[in-house]
Amino acid sequence: GAVVSQHPSRVICKSGTSVKIECRSLDFQATTMFWYRQFPKQSLMLMATSNEGSKATYEQGVEKDKFLINHASLTLSTLTVTSAHPEDSSFYICSARIGGFDTQYFGPGTRLTVL
Amino acid sequence: GENVEQHPSTLSVQEGDSAVIKCTYSDSASNYFPWYKQELGKRPQLIIDIRSNVGEKKDQRIAVTLNKTAKHFSLHITETQPEDSAVYFCAATAGEAGTALIFGKGTTLSVSS
Repeated sequence: GAVVSQHPSRVICKSGTSVKIECRSLDFQATTMFWYRQFPKQSLMLMATSNEGSKATYEQGVEKDKFLINHASLTLSTLTVTSAHPEDSSFYICSARIGGFDTQYFGPGTRLTVL
Repeated sequence: GENVEQHPSTLSVQEGDSAVIKCTYSDSASNYFPWYKQELGKRPQLIIDIRSNVGEKKDQRIAVTLNKTAKHFSLHITETQPEDSAVYFCAATAGEAGTALIFGKGTTLSVSS
């Protein structure tokens, strides 16, 4: 149990376009979802915390107008990278948490390459 | 905000040896400390976790210890095997609700046979 999926697994886009990444909890309801970014050979950096039905809380330095997060249901959160640029190329990973429990379950990640 | 320091950044051991990775955290309100193993291009996998009301936890070859006073926690892997080779991350809870995780920079563990 506790499976989290992400779609797409890889995406290549042109500079200036927008990309949407979906994160789904397949067999549980996730009260909270998190979005992380991981550059090559680096750690996971928390971008934002998203609670179902509420506005996401962004970490310092993360532009909320560039990284749009929607958590419309207890099983789906989306991250839209708007006007993507090459420096946005990274591995984006989501995680989900069941309310009242500490454990976070991670999705498989999305490799974004912006040309 | 929370800051998590992790050492060493790389660790090479012989098969069968023990490996120890150490982390310190800054926020005394942190109450949950998981350890993740990540293989190249894959998602982080939870290997063990500990909560602030416990000092030590063990699961077969893996153990974690927590010293709340000193604000540090450690991962211990005994009888290492080549398949233990991966990047290991420690993390601590942070944020207003204490649910977000702040990660250490990772330790690349190499186990040679």
